[in-house]
Amino acid sequence: EVQLVQSGAEVKKPGESLRISCKGSGYSFTSYWISWVRQMPGKGLEWMGRIDPSDSYTNYSPSFQGHVTISADKSISTAYLQWSSLKASDTAMYYCARSGKSSLSNWFDPWGQGTLVTVSS
Amino acid sequence: DIQMTQSPSSLSASVGDRVTITCQASQDISNYLNWYQQKPGKAPKLLIYDASNLETGVPSRFSGSGSGTDFTFTISSLQPEDIATYYCQQYDNLPMYTFGQGTKLEIK
Repeated sequence: EVQLVQSGAEVKKPGESLRISCKGSGYSFTSYWISWVRQMPGKGLEWMGRIDPSDSYTNYSPSFQGHVTISADKSISTAYLQWSSLKASDTAMYYCARSGKSSLSNWFDPWGQGTLVTVSS
Repeated sequence: DIQMTQSPSSLSASVGDRVTITCQASQDISNYLNWYQQKPGKAPKLLIYDASNLETGVPSRFSGSGSGTDFTFTISSLQPEDIATYYCQQYDNLPMYTFGQGTKLEIK
């Protein structure tokens, strides 16, 4: 079974750093992109960026460029999303999702179960 | 940037009703349009890819159509388990992906 399993919920204070993870299984991890998607409380889905685990090449949405870092360790089939200094506005559910490398057929499937990040003083 | 406008933002319908959601792109995106279902407290799930292709295992009461700038998502006979928020998503200008704002579907 193809699946993405994310790390557990986090509660942090403003200014703290954080890294959350997404582990793929049941497929060739380096043959697909991994994207990260934010969902703020009661809001819609926002694409943040993606990584090609084969070479760690990344693309970011302009809205998130410079605010987060996406990385991957292909040896353990895991992608990461990290913040160096969290803000209260980073409070959200974060999903990872797999997409293909073709530009002609490109969708998110499957998705991880989500990681809830709460930033509060 | 390509903007995706979904309507309505919320919808109340009865079991057995035909439900239609529309998604309009700000420019021609060919058929590079996917639909997802997100049930409360759950991760999104792919239902329709490339505008009209039903993902394996998804009930046939779900369908999608359209190309260019105008797209439609339809549930032919609403079931109680279809209560969810539905999102369209374009991928015409990779690497950027854009989601519609979502349609929250409730049972009347």
